[in-house]
Amino acid sequence: IAGITQAPTSQILAAGRRMTLRCTQDMRHNAMYWYRQDLGLGLRLIHYSNTAGTTGKGEVPDGYSVSRANTDDFPLTLASAVPSQTSVYFCASSATGKNSPLHFGNGTRLTVT
Amino acid sequence: QKEVEQDPGPLSVPEGAIVSLNCTYSNSAFQYFMWYRQYSRKGPELLMYTYSSGNKEDGRFTAQVDKSSKYISLFIRDSQPSDSATYLCAMSAGGGSNYKLTFGKGTLLTVNP
Repeated sequence: IAGITQAPTSQILAAGRRMTLRCTQDMRHNAMYWYRQDLGLGLRLIHYSNTAGTTGKGEVPDGYSVSRANTDDFPLTLASAVPSQTSVYFCASSATGKNSPLHFGNGTRLTVT
Repeated sequence: QKEVEQDPGPLSVPEGAIVSLNCTYSNSAFQYFMWYRQYSRKGPELLMYTYSSGNKEDGRFTAQVDKSSKYISLFIRDSQPSDSATYLCAMSAGGGSNYKLTFGKGTLLTVNP
């Protein structure tokens, strides 16, 4: 079934540790995104990539980094996790051009202790 | 004033009721309007997509956009328990610029059998 796969589905992480959240899509979409979703704050864009080899900063990029080596994969790395990064992280993708909705994965629930 | 305002609810209705979900926005450049549905512990999924002002109907769902009032609505007719979810409005200024998609915080809807 075509879609977005995120791994792990949940993780408990000690503060200061490094963590990479994985995201893979099989829809050959050019654009990919990382959002975090927090109660009372909604979905906020962390980083995005319009095409392989390019990335950009979203609304809340501090403490996170991304890479886009190919079309299908868009990993999100927390270099040194802090408790405020406890959240649900969603990866999304879209085709470029008009009328291109976002397709979301089912999220990674991250708890930083 | 936040760019997109959405009543967080929660909203609880009996089965068969007509549900009205609403968002207001302040950015007059927004011209693409979306509604996403998010079930518990799942990623958001696109429900409705409209361009500029007007109505769009899809089965029991109707999306309305009033750009003059900066107000969008989603109506659900003959609501079902399976409609119980969080509904997110989203909007952007231009097709293809999805990294600038702005989400409301979501309204939690419960449809009681």
